[in-house]
Amino acid sequence: GAVVSQHPSWVICKSGTSVKIECRSLDFQATTMFWYRQFPKQSLMLMATSNEGSKATYEQGVEKDKFLINHASLTLSTLTVTSAHPEDSSFYICSAQGQGFTDTQYFGPGTRLTVL
Amino acid sequence: GNSVTQMEGPVTLSEEAFLTINCTYTATGYPSLFWYVQYPGEGLQLLLKATKADDKGSNKGFEATYRKETTSFHLEKGSVQVSDSAVYFCAQINAGGTSYGKLTFGQGTILTVHP
Repeated sequence: GAVVSQHPSWVICKSGTSVKIECRSLDFQATTMFWYRQFPKQSLMLMATSNEGSKATYEQGVEKDKFLINHASLTLSTLTVTSAHPEDSSFYICSAQGQGFTDTQYFGPGTRLTVL
Repeated sequence: GNSVTQMEGPVTLSEEAFLTINCTYTATGYPSLFWYVQYPGEGLQLLLKATKADDKGSNKGFEATYRKETTSFHLEKGSVQVSDSAVYFCAQINAGGTSYGKLTFGQGTILTVHP
């Protein structure tokens, strides 16, 4: 149980284009989802927290107009990187927290974004 | 503020050696503590957790005990395998304040086990 998927697992795009990453909780309802960014050989940096049906809360220093987050249902959250640039290249990981798992987050496998 | 400090790596061991990865935390209140493991090219997997003082989390031969008096949650395994090679993250979930419910991670420790 408590499986989280991400799609795509990797994506390469041209500079200036937008990329959408999906995060799904497959066997539970996720009231809260989190988006992280991980640089090579570094820890995870929390970008934003999203609750179903409400606007995401962004961490300090994260551009909300660049990283659009939508949490339209209890099983799906999306992160859209708008007008991507090479410095946005990174490993993006989502996690989900259900009503019964208030102290545990379950992580997706991550999405490797490369912007050329 | 809340923080997690892990033993610096990388750690290199021979198969069947004993493993300890140190982790200490600072927090307001009484957080839940976690160890996550990340295999190459993958996301994080929950390895074990403990929710209150003196609790011991265990899974796949790994153990960690929540020590409130030393604010520590060290990860141990009696006999490591090559398949344990991965990055290990210690984390706490904030129990109060404006960061309630958010995970704070340590910097990660790379473990490599040789045959």
